[in-house]
Amino acid sequence: AQSVTQLDSQVPVFEEAPVELRCNYSSSVSVYLFWYVQYPNQGLQLLLKYLSGSTLVKGINGFEAEFNKSQTSFHLRKPSVHISDTAEYFCAVSERIQGAQKLVFGQGTRLTINP
Amino acid sequence: DTAVSQTPKYLVTQMGNDKSIKCEQNLGHDTMYWYKQDSKKFLKIMFSYNNKELIINETVPNRFSPKSPDKAHLNLHINSLELGDSAVYFCASSQGVGPGNEQFFGPGTRLTVL
Repeated sequence: AQSVTQLDSQVPVFEEAPVELRCNYSSSVSVYLFWYVQYPNQGLQLLLKYLSGSTLVKGINGFEAEFNKSQTSFHLRKPSVHISDTAEYFCAVSERIQGAQKLVFGQGTRLTINP
Repeated sequence: DTAVSQTPKYLVTQMGNDKSIKCEQNLGHDTMYWYKQDSKKFLKIMFSYNNKELIINETVPNRFSPKSPDKAHLNLHINSLELGDSAVYFCASSQGVGPGNEQFFGPGTRLTVL
């Protein structure tokens, strides 16, 4: 079974500073990786995904992530954060099970932006 | 124009009661899901339906019974509610069952069992 580890449960940063949220996965087959964001009291929204091809993936709201197969990582980055980026961020790996897509989520990282 | 909607948003009930949560999507998707998010924000899939057929059942107690009357709806009925059922339940949908497909999530239903 595939699994995802998000190395930081909380990340506080100052506004306009860069941020990196770390994600490591374990998978023995083709890898499909996702980052979702959950704003307070809302559902999850897709930030970006890696399916194949270029290892640098650009998403919405200025976020990007780099797929690193040798380090089994898919870290999320943003060069300059805004107060509105305060949210919970989830890394997920997709696996095929019983002919269906199953998303396996990490534990989440709470990003807090301080003014 | 809500893509995936859930009702109710909040549900407070006593142990032992039976309750239902409804989910509807207007995206034309053929696959729907139920997830449970616990108090530590951990998200885990419970069920998945494709074209009204159950395709994933993640060892959920049989007190939980999903029902899909059509492709646009996936409801979750819970019998004999227990304290441990308190959580936020999310419905989601996607087009197809491919591993690279984006899932669209509803706003969640916060269930509190007293």
